[in-house]
Parts: sequence; structure tokens; C-alpha cells
Amino acid sequence: QQQVKQSPQSLIVQKGGISIINCAYENTAFDYFPWYQQFPGKGPALLIAIRPDVSEKKEGRFTISFNKSAKQFSLHIMDSQPGDSATYFCAASYSGNTPLVFGKGTRLSVIA
Amino acid sequence: EADIYQTPRYLVIGTGKKITLECSQTMGHDKMYWYQQDPGMELHLIHYSYGVNSTEKGDLSSESTVSRIRTEHFPLTLESARPSHTSQYLCASSDAGGAGSEAFFGQGTRLTVV
Repeated sequence: QQQVKQSPQSLIVQKGGISIINCAYENTAFDYFPWYQQFPGKGPALLIAIRPDVSEKKEGRFTISFNKSAKQFSLHIMDSQPGDSATYFCAASYSGNTPLVFGKGTRLSVIA
Repeated sequence: EADIYQTPRYLVIGTGKKITLECSQTMGHDKMYWYQQDPGMELHLIHYSYGVNSTEKGDLSSESTVSRIRTEHFPLTLESARPSHTSQYLCASSDAGGAGSEAFFGQGTRLTVV
């Protein structure tokens, strides 16, 4: 059973548009929700992360929205640029000795 | 840039060979992980360690083994490689922080078994 469900699998956005990727989780014990960005030939790198005590976190053009009651969180990329074209993974973990659980990934293409 | 290194970057070997994928980090992190990434992008946890002499199997059944004799080193070994082991292998580390902490990934080893 997949603990973190991510959608869509792929996304094409016009330059300057808003990219939105969604994730849903099952385990209510999760208390850390990061997003990772992966470029071809590279390992994933942390983009932005949120904890459930806040509903939104913004860093530059990247925003995480978190809905604890719905057990959902999403990544919004404002003013999307071709350089944002990459694979994005949501993930979750909880206090204690638990590794990150990743979603299946979203391949984002930003076209001019 | 993360100080976590994987060697080799690319490896092509024949079926039945024994191989070891190397992973080292210089950040003093206690936690280290191995993920297998399939062509469809999904990351599967195959092994992890929370300190020296501590190793655990992950969610994906794997025929590989790991060891953690030193904090900075977490090698993964395949005793007898098969074509089904062809994949991208990613190593990661994180500190022993509380409720979640950043995982730093290496660049990966792309393994092809022929």
C-alpha cells in the first residue's frame, strides 16, 4: 500500500504559468513533509519542506500548501521557468527512526 | 553542494559477478540510506542504517547486502548480479535530528547487468 500518493505523473506548463503538484498521505503520524527536485543525472535535492503546525510555507517562487484534515499537501511553482523542468517528489516521515517515504514523482516540463 | 559521494557513476558488468557500490559522506551523519530508482522515476528504499553496526532492510525486497563499519561509509554489495538488478542506485544521508531532517543524496550509480 502506497503511503504517499502523488499526482499528476507528468505536467506540461507554459513559461510564466503556475505548476501545481499534489500529494495525499495515509499515516496521520507523519509530521514532516518535504519536496525534492531531481534533474537528469543528479540525485534528488531538498527544495522546500513543511511541518503540520503551519498551513503554508513560501520560499521564493515555491509554496507548499498543507491541509491536515484532508491529509493533503501540494507544491505550487509560480512564474514557472524552463529551468524548473525536472522531476519532483513529495515525501513524508515522522519522529523516530523512520526513513522518508516518497511519492512516485512528477515529471514537469516548462515550455517557452 | 552535498558532501556525499558514490562510485562508480556508471557500471556495466556480466551476470553472476559480485559487485560493491561505494557510498561515502563527510558530513558526520548517523543515518544513511540506499534507494533503487526505476526508469519510471519511483524511489524504493532497499536498506538503511542509523549508525555504526546498525542496518535494516527497506520496503523493497533486495538481494543486496550492506555494512556500516564506519560512520562515513555505507557500501552496498550484490553477491551475484542479474539483469533484474539493472537500475539506478542512490545513496543518501541525514543527521539524527528530531522530527524529520534533510536527506542529502549522492549522484547515483547507474548499474547495467548484461
